[in-house]
Amino acid sequence: AQTVTQSQPEMSVQEAETVTLSCTYDTSESDYYLFWYKQPPSRQMILVIRQEAYKQQNATENRFSVNFQKAAKSFSLKISDSQLGDAAMYFCAFSNTGNQFYFGTGTSLTVIP
Amino acid sequence: EADIYQTPRYLVIGTGKKITLECSQTMGHDKMYWYQQDPGMELHLIHYSYGVNSTEKGDLSSESTVSRIRTEHFPLTLESARPSHTSQYLCASSPTRGRRGQETQYFGPGTRLLVL
Repeated sequence: AQTVTQSQPEMSVQEAETVTLSCTYDTSESDYYLFWYKQPPSRQMILVIRQEAYKQQNATENRFSVNFQKAAKSFSLKISDSQLGDAAMYFCAFSNTGNQFYFGTGTSLTVIP
Repeated sequence: EADIYQTPRYLVIGTGKKITLECSQTMGHDKMYWYQQDPGMELHLIHYSYGVNSTEKGDLSSESTVSRIRTEHFPLTLESARPSHTSQYLCASSPTRGRRGQETQYFGPGTRLLVL
């Protein structure tokens, strides 16, 4: 069975600083996708970044980047130059070839002005 | 922003009432999902569909039912609402599996349900 673990229920970062959110997953499959979703308070869940397991290069989207360690089954999200608008719940998610999505329990990120 | 819509956005209703939460997407996605999420908490999959006339129950036991008569529409129905159904319900969709795996899920804005 696939599991996704986010061990940090809450994190905080000073505005303009960098923060890293952790995510580990467990699977026996070799072909899958990994995602980070952002859910601002009372707002829609949106995709932040995604990584295809067969790609060795870490995905990057502007200030957001991932550190994908396939052997360690680790998929952390780095937010650089944090902004107040980055404050949200962040969910790590895993998708396998069986068409199922698995979400972590989320990390609540606070950005301190 | 993805083109996936949910109505109503907020609903307060009495115990015992029948309610239907609507979800529509205009992207032609085959797969659609319903999640239940308490505020600031993890998502629990309650139903999913891989196409018209296809529906399955998810990991979380739910007293709700769904239907998929049209590709773009995936309503969720509670025959008799109870206070324990108070939660947020998120609808999502994703396109047909690509060459190497499932594509991204796109989420609707959610419906916040309060059952008195």
